[in-house]
Amino acid sequence: NAGVTQTPKFRVLKTGQSMTLLCAQDMNHEYMYWYRQDPGMGLRLIHYSVGEGTTAKGEVPDGYNVSRLKKQNFLLGLESAAPSQTSVYFCASSSWTRAYEQYFGPGTRLTVT
Amino acid sequence: AQSVTQLGSHVSVSEGALVLLRCNYSSSVPPYLFWYVQYPNQGLQLLLKYTSAATLVKGINGFEAEFKKSETSFHLTKPSAHMSDAAEYFCAVSLNTGTASKLTFGTGTRLQVTL
Repeated sequence: NAGVTQTPKFRVLKTGQSMTLLCAQDMNHEYMYWYRQDPGMGLRLIHYSVGEGTTAKGEVPDGYNVSRLKKQNFLLGLESAAPSQTSVYFCASSSWTRAYEQYFGPGTRLTVT
Repeated sequence: AQSVTQLGSHVSVSEGALVLLRCNYSSSVPPYLFWYVQYPNQGLQLLLKYTSAATLVKGINGFEAEFKKSETSFHLTKPSAHMSDAAEYFCAVSLNTGTASKLTFGTGTRLQVTL
């Protein structure tokens, strides 16, 4: 039981490049979330999903897109990376019966130069 | 809308001393409250949670927190700090409406434990 996994762990992008971060969970959770963590700002919700094929905006969605084609996977895309998107990105998941108890992945450190 | 405020971005204690990390919340309805711990280069791990049952909540690794509605507080304590407690701690609030629970995090408190 791996829990929540994220790939890649590290990535460096140039401004304007695109990339996709992959999150996978093996707990059969309905809900999945993407957060970004910046120094002194805690974690902020980017997008979330309440089920396969559904997504919704969080607190800071601009510049990101997401997709949830399979229940166990939640993808975060950056179409045209900007230096302001340099951050650590965390994926999390939770079940519908205990939606408040979120399980986090190890994070992806992204640097945009 | 809900929010949390963590007082003190850095707290330093001696090994064996009391740990007290402060969290105050703002919520228009009864909240669910959480403490998460983040060890270096790792994701967040749930330490304990308050979901409107007992006001004194016990978590893992000897930590506990008390929900005080009158003070809108949910401070985290541990009677005796251990070197392994050094980490960053996040308080979070949620309005669990039965659908996806959107957590609002505080800015974090980094705990340093010295010999």
